[in-house]
Amino acid sequence: DIVMTQSPLSLSVTPGEPASISCRSSQSVLQSNGYNYLAWYLQRPGQSPNLLIYLGSNRASGVPDRISGSGSGTDFTLKISGVEAEDVGVYYCMQARQIPWTFGQGTKVEIK
Amino acid sequence: QVQLVESGGGVVQPERSLRLSCEASGFTFSRYGMHWVRQAPGKGLEWVAHITHDGTIKYYADSVKGRFTISRDNSKNTLYLQMNSLRADDTAVYYCAKEEYRGSSFDYWGQGALVTVSS
Repeated sequence: DIVMTQSPLSLSVTPGEPASISCRSSQSVLQSNGYNYLAWYLQRPGQSPNLLIYLGSNRASGVPDRISGSGSGTDFTLKISGVEAEDVGVYYCMQARQIPWTFGQGTKVEIK
Repeated sequence: QVQLVESGGGVVQPERSLRLSCEASGFTFSRYGMHWVRQAPGKGLEWVAHITHDGTIKYYADSVKGRFTISRDNSKNTLYLQMNSLRADDTAVYYCAKEEYRGSSFDYWGQGALVTVSS
């Protein structure tokens, strides 16, 4: 199985300040089609997960452009250019390169 | 708009069975693969099972293989998860999720159904 490792596991951020979350996979998630099968989700308190980023760097519909994804192969980063109150929750990365689909442990983001 | 609505959760005794349903709307259900993902209380996300758009191919997490069965009825726009021989560690919120068309992610999730396995 591909193991997904996120860091840090928690983050406390002042509103308006940037935040960054790292996700590393134990094997490459680069598909033969040239795409990285890596997604990011945000689970706000009491809600279902919501897709933020797919194929490593593509924003899902309705996701603000202050949120961006980057990386390739085994190393990925989610960046928030200026954290807002609605960004609070737990962020998960997930690989879809190989079965079973696997998630990172989650990174909890809170506002200072 | 896309909607996924789970039902069938509840409290069940160990070794008993339960079937979850997920009714889909707002998209052509028969064209997309579907998944079940669960989340134990206070824990992270765990993928459980996948079924292709036409129901011909199914995959399971090792933790549920042989006990859970994923199925779908495209005429009813409904996804199912039959859970047998339930154990305490199956206690979780179970989400159904729609697969993005390239299979790279889960682009829509239901609200979840809580399953509690307890005597």
